[in-house]
Amino acid sequence: AQSVTQPDIHITVSEGASLELRCNYSYGATPYLFWYVQSPGQGLQLLLKYFSGDTLVQGIKGFEAEFKRSQSSFNLRKPSVHWSDAAEYFCAVGAGNTGKLIFGQGTTLQVKP
Amino acid sequence: ETGVTQTPRHLVMGMTNKKSLKCEQHLGHNAMYWYKQSAKKPLELMFVYSLEERVENNSVPSRFSPECPNSSHLFLHLHTLQPEDSALYLCASSQAERGTDTQYFGPGTRLTVL
Repeated sequence: AQSVTQPDIHITVSEGASLELRCNYSYGATPYLFWYVQSPGQGLQLLLKYFSGDTLVQGIKGFEAEFKRSQSSFNLRKPSVHWSDAAEYFCAVGAGNTGKLIFGQGTTLQVKP
Repeated sequence: ETGVTQTPRHLVMGMTNKKSLKCEQHLGHNAMYWYKQSAKKPLELMFVYSLEERVENNSVPSRFSPECPNSSHLFLHLHTLQPEDSALYLCASSQAERGTDTQYFGPGTRLTVL
C-alpha cells in the first residue's frame, strides 16, 4: 500500500540557517511527489512537484527538493530560512491514476529569530 | 475570484443543525475533493468527484453528504454532526489525467460542532 512518512513532527531552526525536511514514501511504481505548505488557518499551497526528469526540483519561495529513488525519499530543502517560512509542511504521493494524494502527517517548522 | 474558494470560512453549529459547505473552483478542472483535517492527524480524504461523478467515498459517515452539481461546484451537506466532527474541511480541485494531476486547495472551512 502507498504511504508517506515524515519522520520529524516538529523542527526548529534559526532564521538564516539551512533547512531540510525529510519525506519517505512507499509506492510500487514511479511516484508523483508533492510538497505543500500550510500557514495557520489556511489551505495548502503547492511548493513544488516531481513527475519525471531532473531529480532536483525547484519550487516557489526558494525551496527545492531532490527525488532519490534508491532511498525512496523526496526531501525538501532551503538554504536560508526566513521567519515567514514558519508553517506546516506536507509531503504527498500521487496514487496512480485515481488522482488521489496520500499525505504524510506533516512537519511543523518553527523559526527562531 | 481565482483558484479555489470556500464558504463559509468559519461555521459553528449545534448537533441538531443542518448546514452546507460550499466550494467553487475557477481553474477549469474536472475533479474535486473533500478533505478533513483534524488536529494532530494526517489529512483524511473524504470524497472524490471526477467529471461530476463520485468515484471515492472513504467510509465517511452518512451524516456527511456530498453534492457535485457541475464541475465547478462542490457541496458538503452536514446534519446531526458530532463534536468529533469539528475540524478544518478543505476542498481541492485538479485536472485528473493519468495520475499526474496536481491538487489545488481552498482556504478551508473551520467547523465547530457544539
